[in-house]
Amino acid sequence: EVQLVESGGGLLQPGGSLRLSCAASGFTFSNYWMHWVRQPPGKGLVWVSRINTDGSASSYADSVKGRFTISRDNAKNTLYLEMNSLRAEDTAVYYCARDRGSGYRDFGHWGQGTLVTVSS
Amino acid sequence: ETVLTQSPATLSLSPGERATLSCRASQSVGTYLAWYQQKPGQAPRLLIYDASNRATGIPARFSGSGSGTDFTLTISSLEPEDFAVYYCQQSSNWPPITFGQGTRLEIK
Repeated sequence: EVQLVESGGGLLQPGGSLRLSCAASGFTFSNYWMHWVRQPPGKGLVWVSRINTDGSASSYADSVKGRFTISRDNAKNTLYLEMNSLRAEDTAVYYCARDRGSGYRDFGHWGQGTLVTVSS
Repeated sequence: ETVLTQSPATLSLSPGERATLSCRASQSVGTYLAWYQQKPGQAPRLLIYDASNRATGIPARFSGSGSGTDFTLTISSLEPEDFAVYYCQQSSNWPPITFGQGTRLEIK
């Protein structure tokens, strides 16, 4: 069974930094692109970032470009999101998601999410 | 950026009725269109991929259609557990991958 378990969320002040983790199991982690998707409280889903299978290529939403960094450790089956210069508008539940693979970028598997709150 | 516009924002129906949800793209996405269901406090669940293919374990009452810029999710006969928020998502023109703003399906 595919499992994705996020951790690392919390409450922090504007300008702060945080690293989210997503532990994957139940599939060959190194074979799939991975993504972060966030959801502000009471609002819709927003794609944040993606990383390819070996970590050599990544993409970001404009709203986080230059502040967030996605990475992965295939030996540890873990995905990361390094978040710097955090703003109030970054407050959201952050989900990691696995795409379908083979060039298809829809998300058949999601973690349970971790809440990041940025507030003074 | 490809903008997805979902309509209606809220749909009020009774169990047993047919639900028709719409998703319109600002430019063609071919059939790279997926639908998700999200219940309160839960992660989204993939229902439909490639515009018309049901994901594993999704009941046959859910169906998707469309291509290019106009897509529809149909629930043929609503069950109590179907009342939730539904999102469409395109992965044709990225980055960024984009989602619609959601349709809330509520019990009438």
